[in-house]
Amino acid sequence: DAGVIQSPRHEVTEMGQEVTLRCKPISGHDYLFWYRQTMMRGLELLIYFNNNVPIDDSGMPEDRFSAKMPNASFSTLKIQPSEPRDSAVYFCASSLGDNSNQPQHFGDGTRLSIL
Amino acid sequence: QQPVQSPQAVILREGEDAVINCSSSKALYSVHWYRQKHGEAPVFLMILLKGGEQKGHDKISASFNEKKQQSSLYLTASQLSYSGTYFCGTEIFEPGNTPLVFGKGTRLSVIA
Repeated sequence: DAGVIQSPRHEVTEMGQEVTLRCKPISGHDYLFWYRQTMMRGLELLIYFNNNVPIDDSGMPEDRFSAKMPNASFSTLKIQPSEPRDSAVYFCASSLGDNSNQPQHFGDGTRLSIL
Repeated sequence: QQPVQSPQAVILREGEDAVINCSSSKALYSVHWYRQKHGEAPVFLMILLKGGEQKGHDKISASFNEKKQQSSLYLTASQLSYSGTYFCGTEIFEPGNTPLVFGKGTRLSVIA
């Protein structure tokens, strides 16, 4: 079975540009998570969805960040306008059921560099 | 709310043992352990639920001490393939309502 698929794998863009990261969760998984990983802050949860509905977006750093899940097989994380401090690796993960006894399956991540 | 992991980094020779600790300031419902190799995604190792259970996974095992709000990951007879960063993710005592919060990780290097 295919795992979580993220695109693009790498993105380099200039400050001020719009960035869109994409994620396809594992088929049948009803939870989807977006994380940001940096050396300083580690793995931070940005937002998560249950059955395509955003449940908790308290980790989204600013209004410049937005996430959508229009259907069970696709989610996007958008940054507009982008800033150099947004440079990080962004991971998408999915799971079946709630946290307590279900592992999260991570995609390979998108390495984002904002110049 | 972020759990504290210790040590931050450890270097082992092949065959040596290591313990990685994960402590929380809040009562825990579950602890998840993941390993991430450089440039790759985190990979699930195991989940421990409240009740003080211990789990094993080949030569990697873990315990969960509910009273101490702490979990420990034990790596025995380490192999080169064990190198990577180990993360614990904790779920506080509201099952299903709170997302995992990950620690900053413990970097493990196994050398020949």
